[in-house]
Amino acid sequence: DGGITQSPKYLFRKEGQNVTLSCEQNLNHDAMYWYRQDPGQGLRLIYYSQIVNDFQKGDIAEGYSVSREKKESFPLTVTSAQKNPTAFYLCASSILRMNTEAFFGQGTRLTVV
Amino acid sequence: AQSVTQLDSHVSVSEGTPVLLRCNYSSSYSPSLFWYVQHPNKGLQLLLKYTSAATLVKGINGFEAEFKKSETSFHLTKPSAHMSDAAEYFCVVSGGNYQLIWGAGTKLIIKP
Repeated sequence: DGGITQSPKYLFRKEGQNVTLSCEQNLNHDAMYWYRQDPGQGLRLIYYSQIVNDFQKGDIAEGYSVSREKKESFPLTVTSAQKNPTAFYLCASSILRMNTEAFFGQGTRLTVV
Repeated sequence: AQSVTQLDSHVSVSEGTPVLLRCNYSSSYSPSLFWYVQHPNKGLQLLLKYTSAATLVKGINGFEAEFKKSETSFHLTKPSAHMSDAAEYFCVVSGGNYQLIWGAGTKLIIKP
């Protein structure tokens, strides 16, 4: 089945640690996205990538980093510089065309302990 | 610039009664509009989309939405609510640069 796989589903991080969230897609989509979701705030774009080895900052990129070494994979690292990392993180992908919908993974819930 | 406003943060209806979730948008050009649904601790699923074809769009699970350019609205409706419809719903407008602009969400509560 085609889709987007995020792992792990739940992740706990100690303060000061970096953690990496995995996102893999087998939809052959060029574009991939990372969103952060907090209660009552909708989705906020962290980073996006439209092609391998290239990515762009979204609205809230500070404290995060990404890579796009393969078309299928777009991992997100939450660094210790992110002051409030506890949130639900969603990865998405889409074809590279204007006004098209995105397809989502099941999300990773990150909690700082 | 594009923006989207969901007019209600929570909507509560009884099972079997109609559902109305309101969404207004702002766009400098003819946009594409989407409704997504999210069940607790899950990813988002596309309910329906408008892309300048028919103004009345039918989606999954009996939902539909009507694009009204004069009112800049894209409200989501369903004739009869089911308990399984309880979820959060997001209205989304295309950003014109391969990005999507998200509303804050409306939590739909279904009373038995």
